[in-house]
This record gives sequence, structure tokens and C-alpha cells, in this order.
Amino acid sequence: QSVLTQPPSASGTPGQRVTISCSGGASNIGSNTVNWYQQVPGTAPKLLIYSDVQRPSGVPDRFSGSKSGTSASLAISGLQSEDEADYYCSSWDDSLMGGVFGTGTKVTV
Amino acid sequence: EVRLVESGGGLVQPGGSLRLSCAASGFTVIANDMSWVRQAPGKGLEWVSVIYSGGSTDYAGSGKGRFTISRDYPKNVVYLQMNFLTAEDTAVYFCARALPRDRSAWYLWGQGTLVSVSS
Repeated sequence: QSVLTQPPSASGTPGQRVTISCSGGASNIGSNTVNWYQQVPGTAPKLLIYSDVQRPSGVPDRFSGSKSGTSASLAISGLQSEDEADYYCSSWDDSLMGGVFGTGTKVTV
Repeated sequence: EVRLVESGGGLVQPGGSLRLSCAASGFTVIANDMSWVRQAPGKGLEWVSVIYSGGSTDYAGSGKGRFTISRDYPKNVVYLQMNFLTAEDTAVYFCARALPRDRSAWYLWGQGTLVSVSS
């Protein structure tokens, strides 16, 4: 099962701000960076945020990441219809010696 | 063009084996950390395995002892050999390239290949 915990769903109207949480532990988020992915069903995930707060080239600045202790958050501001997708956090786990993902959050606009 | 293309998926009986391939173009797999990530139907993402640029490997608990990740330098391909497959291994398997110095930041993905384990 997933090591990182996310809310199953989040929703908002166009233009609103939505925040998704990702809760982990000392061996993962507490000691490694957090990344966020967007996945439209039927397609491969897309990296949205890496190293807690960095955006890859081409990702709109409406997407932002933050981290504190063993938790992280993804914020989507100025929500748009094309933001409807599943969102996953990920990190590395030093105890498991492997990558770990969050349970996933379905965002509805 | 920088891309990853997976192949080798299909229908296999429980207890059977399958070898997935991930062909890379536009970059060299031996210079990067390459992972396999899978997604069961209607479920979330699950990390499966990594082969580091240095050649060492790691596996998720679900695949330890059954899966083997490897790479072929001249062909620029990453493989995932899967043995003793069960229904719980049914999933779309993605190959992914990690950012330098961040082994869990997968920024280049293939389209995925479907593995179905059923009798």
C-alpha cells in the first residue's frame, strides 16, 4: 500500500485555489525531497513540482509546492478546467530503500 | 527527440514470466537513474525498481526476489524481467528517467505497457 497519505478528492470552481496535502514520515518526506505529479487518466504522469518547490520548465506558476517537517502540499491557484486530473506526491524512503508515492487526489473543477 | 518507449507487455498466466523493455532515444540510459513504476487498473502509482547510473539496483518489496532490472548499453534499453507473476502484478508498467541528483523526480516517462496476469 502507499506510504504517503493524500486526501482522495479535492474540488473547486474556476479561478479558485485548491490545496492538496501529502503526509509521510521521518524516513521519507522528513529526510528527502518531495515531488508532485499530474496524471490525466489513460496517460503517463507528468512532473509538476520537484525538490519540494521547483517547477520544471513549461509548468505554469499557478502550481506551487511547499514542505514542512513530514508533510508537503501542492497548491493550484487560478483553477482551470484543464487542471482536472489525478495528483500524486512522491519521495524516497530511506528505510524501504525505494521510491514511494502518495495515495493520489482526484481534483474536480 | 528525447523519449522512452516501453514494450513487452501482454497476457500471461499466473506463475509465468515476462520481460519488459524500455527503449531510450536522445540520451544514454547508463548515465541516468532509470525506474519502473506501475499502476494497477483504477489504482494509484507504485514504484517498482530502479537501476542507478552506477549500475546498482533497488526493488520494492512486492518485486524482490521475482523482478530483475537491467540495462543494455549498446542498445540503450532498460529491461524488467518479471518471474512468478500473480494477478496482483496486473498493471500498466511505465519506464521513467529521474532528474540528476533526485532519484524520485521522474520527469521523462514512456507511454506504458500493459501486463495482464490471468488464467
